[in-house]
Amino acid sequence: EAGVTQFPSHSVIEKGQTVTLRCDPISGHDNLYWYRRVMGKEIKFLLHFVKESKQDESGMPNNRFLAERTGGTYSTLKVQPAELEDSGVYFCASSLDRALEQYFGPGTRLTVT
Amino acid sequence: SQQGEEDPQALSIQEGENATMNCSYKTSINNLQWYRQNSGRGLVHLILIRSNEREKHSGRLRVTLDTSKKSSSLLITASRAADTASYFCHGGGGSNYKLTFGKGTLLTVNP
Repeated sequence: EAGVTQFPSHSVIEKGQTVTLRCDPISGHDNLYWYRRVMGKEIKFLLHFVKESKQDESGMPNNRFLAERTGGTYSTLKVQPAELEDSGVYFCASSLDRALEQYFGPGTRLTVT
Repeated sequence: SQQGEEDPQALSIQEGENATMNCSYKTSINNLQWYRQNSGRGLVHLILIRSNEREKHSGRLRVTLDTSKKSSSLLITASRAADTASYFCHGGGGSNYKLTFGKGTLLTVNP
């Protein structure tokens, strides 16, 4: 069974540009989560989808971040315009049920210069 | 609230030595997981221990869980330079779907 996949693995962009990260959850997992870790700090929750619906987006830092999950399969996280402080590793996770363990993808390392 | 607070924040040992890291959490959990993140790379799942288990082994890893103290420990035996990474824990399941990690334990294994 394929695990959670994320694309790209690494993205380098300039301040002010736009970047879109993609996450493909494990097939059949309705619950999808985004987290991020900025340099040397905690891994923090960003948001949670159940199918295509946003259940909790309390961790989204500001309105430059937009997450979507059209069709309830893969999800995208767009950062527009990117700022230097957005640099970090963005993780996606999925679970069969919100009460069950979450499986993490390998992450996308975002570098904003 | 954090569901994973690692201790110590940094640990430096020599290759071949054992490394022990601790984790504390606040609310009830169904399971606790340990992860590793190598510098600049993704989060790798190491081991999961369920709330009804007290100890679990996987290769050179040994995890214990004490639900009465809301704590867990990760022991890496016979460490290798490749074990150098940040290690995170989080307690999950139940009503706590919003996983929150601590800053992790940065383990450095010197060759």
